[in-house]
Amino acid sequence: KNQVEQSPQSLIILEGKNCTLQCNYTVSPFSNLRWYKQDTGRGPVSLTIMTFSENTKSNGRYTATLDADTKQSSLHITASQLSDSASYICVVRAQTGANNLFFGTGTRLTVIP
Amino acid sequence: NAGVTQTPKFQVLKTGQSMTLQCAQDMNHEYMSWYRQDPGMGLRLIHYSVGAGITDQGEVPNGYNVSRSTTEDFPLRLLSAAPSQTSVYFCASSYSGSGTQYFGPGTRLLVL
Repeated sequence: KNQVEQSPQSLIILEGKNCTLQCNYTVSPFSNLRWYKQDTGRGPVSLTIMTFSENTKSNGRYTATLDADTKQSSLHITASQLSDSASYICVVRAQTGANNLFFGTGTRLTVIP
Repeated sequence: NAGVTQTPKFQVLKTGQSMTLQCAQDMNHEYMSWYRQDPGMGLRLIHYSVGAGITDQGEVPNGYNVSRSTTEDFPLRLLSAAPSQTSVYFCASSYSGSGTQYFGPGTRLLVL
């Protein structure tokens, strides 16, 4: 069964600290993996996209990694800011199937001053 | 360029009432989708469209109808609202089936 699991469910960190969010998936055959940021009361916004051949991709203070062999991805946030407080959603796309997007339940990150 | 817009932002319905959630995009995207987001669950696909005149069911289509008469608009109709349809609804669009999805701001629906 195609599934996407994220951990932790929630996380509280001090401003300026780093953190890492995890995403494990069983989706097969794998096409790509995206990380979205969802601010409270807003729609998700894409941060990065990872394909099978990519191990690391950065977008400012956000760095995503992908290990396609173990089917794991992580999102590392460096020098966190208050504006990083949001839910981060991992979305995996399968190569086949009409409904081929699988969503994680998200990690709720709270950055406190 | 407004991106994806949704109306209304909030709505309260009584059980059995019907309504239409509006979604529009100005990016000339062919693919549009409707999702619902419930606490503790990932986004779940309700209906999607790969172009004007073409729609298909997603994971949780029961109780909802869609149509796509133009590229820009993709309304979602609740036929007879039920408390189980209380949720936040997001519309999304993308240039292609594998492209990045752009989400609207969402519609919060409460069914009493």
